[in-house]
Order: sequence, then C-alpha cells, then structure tokens
Amino acid sequence: DAGVIQSPRHEVTEMGQEVTLRCKPISGHNSLFWYRQTMMRGLELLIYFNNNVPIDDSGMPEDRFSAKMPNASFSTLKIQPSEPRDSAVYFCASSDQGSYEAFFGQGTRLTVV
Amino acid sequence: GNSVTQMEGPVTLSEEAFLTINCTYTATGYPSLFWYVQYPGEGLQLLLKATKADDKGSNKGFEATYRKETTSFHLEKGSVQVSDSAVYFCALGGYQKVTFGTGTKLQVIP
Repeated sequence: DAGVIQSPRHEVTEMGQEVTLRCKPISGHNSLFWYRQTMMRGLELLIYFNNNVPIDDSGMPEDRFSAKMPNASFSTLKIQPSEPRDSAVYFCASSDQGSYEAFFGQGTRLTVV
Repeated sequence: GNSVTQMEGPVTLSEEAFLTINCTYTATGYPSLFWYVQYPGEGLQLLLKATKADDKGSNKGFEATYRKETTSFHLEKGSVQVSDSAVYFCALGGYQKVTFGTGTKLQVIP
C-alpha cells in the first residue's frame, strides 16, 4: 500500500484565492482526519470522518474552511477565501476505527501571501 | 472528553543520556495509547503503542508502559542518539477519534 497520499505537497497562493487540499486514505480505513500544524498552535484536529460522514468539525477555525469526503477513497479540505494566517502544514491521516492507529500523509505546506 | 497532557519541551540531551518524556491522559473507558515521532519536514509516524493496561510498547530502543492506575504512558530510552532528534507526540485512541498531545521537541547533541 502506498500509504496516505496528499496533494499538492506545497502550495503558494495569494490572499483571497481558493485553495483545495486533497487526500487519499489507505484502502480499507474507515476513519479520516484533517490536522493543521503551526509553530504557534502545534497540531490541531480540524475535522474527522467515520465511514465518509463528518463526525466532529468543531476544530474548523471559520466558515472559510470546509471539508468533504464524497467516497471512501477521497477527501478534500477547502479554504475560501484564503488568508495569510492560514499558512501552515496540513496533514491528512487515516485509521481503522477499531485500532485507532493513525497513518499520516506527508502533509501539504500552504503559504498564503 | 478525552485529553492528553505531555511535558513541554524542548528537551536537550547529550548523546547516550537517558530520556524520559512524560505523558498523562484523561479518558473514559479503555483507550489505546500511542507515541508518534515527527522528523523535520515529515509527517507523524507511529513509534509504539499499547492497547490495554500494563502493556509495554517498544520500538527502536524506546519503551512506554500503559499505567491505568496513574493514567500515564511515559516514553523512555536508555541511551539517545543524535538521530533521535525529533518531535514526539503522545496520543490516545478512543470514541471514534485519536487525540494528540502538544508534542515535545527533543534535541540530542553530540
């Protein structure tokens, strides 16, 4: 298995633009998590899905952030409009709900200028 | 709800020193406990885990024991190497999600 795949690895965009981050979880995993990591705030859970259904989005910072999981093999995190304070590394992780062992992608480094 | 508290860093040690990174948790039920490691520029990867009380997880010389009586899962290594320099995260799995601590940065100097 190729592991959790995130794209793009790096994204530089201008303030006000829409940004879409993508994630392909490990096949067979039924839980998917989106995290944001910054020096100031550390690792923050934004939202997680079980069986493609959003369970807890209380970590999503603002209405500018939205996440979808249309099927078991794909998820997106969208920021519209983006702001410089959204600059961070965004990680996607997946796990088997029974084991809770989370497997992380390599992350997307987002820079909003 | 579930929560994890781990010691603040950074921790700076000389090579071959003994390492302890403290982690305590709050949870209902019987969670699984994990330590993850993050090397610079990379994602988090599982270092070790324990799924029930008194279990000891171990990997690459690191160990942690699931202590239900003290709600702790402290990470230890007898002799650290420069290559162990990284950020270490304690985590708890239960009630459909994984909860992470804030991370502890370890720097090992030659």
